[in-house]
Amino acid sequence: SAVISQKPSRDICQRGTSLTIQCQVDSQVTMMFWYRQQPGQSLTLIATANQGSEATYESGFVIDKFPISRPNLTFSTLTVSNMSPEDSSIYLCSARDTGPDNEQFFGPGTRLTVL
Amino acid sequence: AQKITQTQPGMFVQEKEAVTLDCTYDTSDPSYGLFWYKQPSSGEMIFLIYQGSYDQQNATEGRYSLNFQKARKSANLVISASQLGDSAMYFCAMREGRGSGYSTLTFGKGTMLLVSP
Repeated sequence: SAVISQKPSRDICQRGTSLTIQCQVDSQVTMMFWYRQQPGQSLTLIATANQGSEATYESGFVIDKFPISRPNLTFSTLTVSNMSPEDSSIYLCSARDTGPDNEQFFGPGTRLTVL
Repeated sequence: AQKITQTQPGMFVQEKEAVTLDCTYDTSDPSYGLFWYKQPSSGEMIFLIYQGSYDQQNATEGRYSLNFQKARKSANLVISASQLGDSAMYFCAMREGRGSGYSTLTFGKGTMLLVSP
């Protein structure tokens, strides 16, 4: 199993600023994902981060707002740009290897509050 | 249409009793996988159990079992002998296109389980 860590674990930010969240996996993984969980809601996939290529964004999420980097097989970053209070959420990093039944692991999440 | 439906926003159970959390799914793909995750108040997502669409037997992991009824498209989670530490949000999720290996998880809205002494 993979262990995923995220930094920061929580932050309080002012509107209009940007925050970069780091995700580190303790082993090489093929696929990494970023999810958003708004207060009291379920998880929504923002994008799939593939090493060596552009991230694939889900409907409703754009690269200008949520730029993602994936420089190697163990690390990814998500930036939340030009933040507004509506961006207040838990942001979760997730990872798995290819293979149909592989478990998908999650990081502890980053709790973001935008004032 | 929602792909994963969890109809119970909240469930209450007494310690040591069993509880069933409902999950129905919608897919036309013959290959898929079903997952259950637990999310305590700390926010982390903890993997509990997995069921593949071609698995003949219901999955079990310790006190967790998955009641898989393929014709009904349901994948209910059964927790036996509930413990206070089981109090958490529980999410059902599905991955379609099992053969491709590249598909993503879709989550239900979750069920909040509260275990009382």
